[in-house]
Amino acid sequence: SQQGEEDPQALSIQEGENATMNCSYKTSINNLQWYRQNSGRGLVHLILIRSNEREKHSGRLRVTLDTSKKSSSLLITASRAADTASYFCATDANGTASKLTFGTGTRLQVTL
Amino acid sequence: GAGVSQSPRYKVAKRGQDVALRCDPISGHVSLFWYQQALGQGPEFLTYFQNEAQLDKSGLPSDRFFAERPEGSVSTLKIQRTQQEDSAVYLCASSLGTGAEKLFFGSGTQLSVL
Repeated sequence: SQQGEEDPQALSIQEGENATMNCSYKTSINNLQWYRQNSGRGLVHLILIRSNEREKHSGRLRVTLDTSKKSSSLLITASRAADTASYFCATDANGTASKLTFGTGTRLQVTL
Repeated sequence: GAGVSQSPRYKVAKRGQDVALRCDPISGHVSLFWYQQALGQGPEFLTYFQNEAQLDKSGLPSDRFFAERPEGSVSTLKIQRTQQEDSAVYLCASSLGTGAEKLFFGSGTQLSVL
């Protein structure tokens, strides 16, 4: 079963704009991760934020975490066509260190 | 190798056939995971190995699914008597440490059961 849900399910923006994706989850966690998946490929790890962190940056990525609302957001600034992909959040539901539970994903389309 | 390698890339099986999917993780990675991804969905956990020990197989959908990693490196996911609902992409991932942090994924095996 899916632990989280991403919102929106699909997002279409123009190159240069910012893209914001949200993730909600159901149980307590130790950390939350974001992954990107290009069509027909495996997932690529983007960033990990721990439950005691509220915000984290990596290049053009900014992730926030609100454990009281059980939600996270991923912001991609100054988007590029190469950012076109599906984005998934993943949590170690209930702190189970051995597996990640993925959300349903947001499909991002960046057009020129 | 440079990344996680999975073979075959595509597999077509007739219903009732047995299939074996192979995963070569990144050298030295302790943890290995198998996930199943249905079209348009996120990956769903199948099983987890720490070295050669299968520590969690709670996600395997039935006793037709079996995974092994006998020498703590290469892993094989075997599906016996395949059924149409087994059609999906099977993803393998590995991580350096003992937890599910920063997973490196292979490109997957797309299984189609006719």
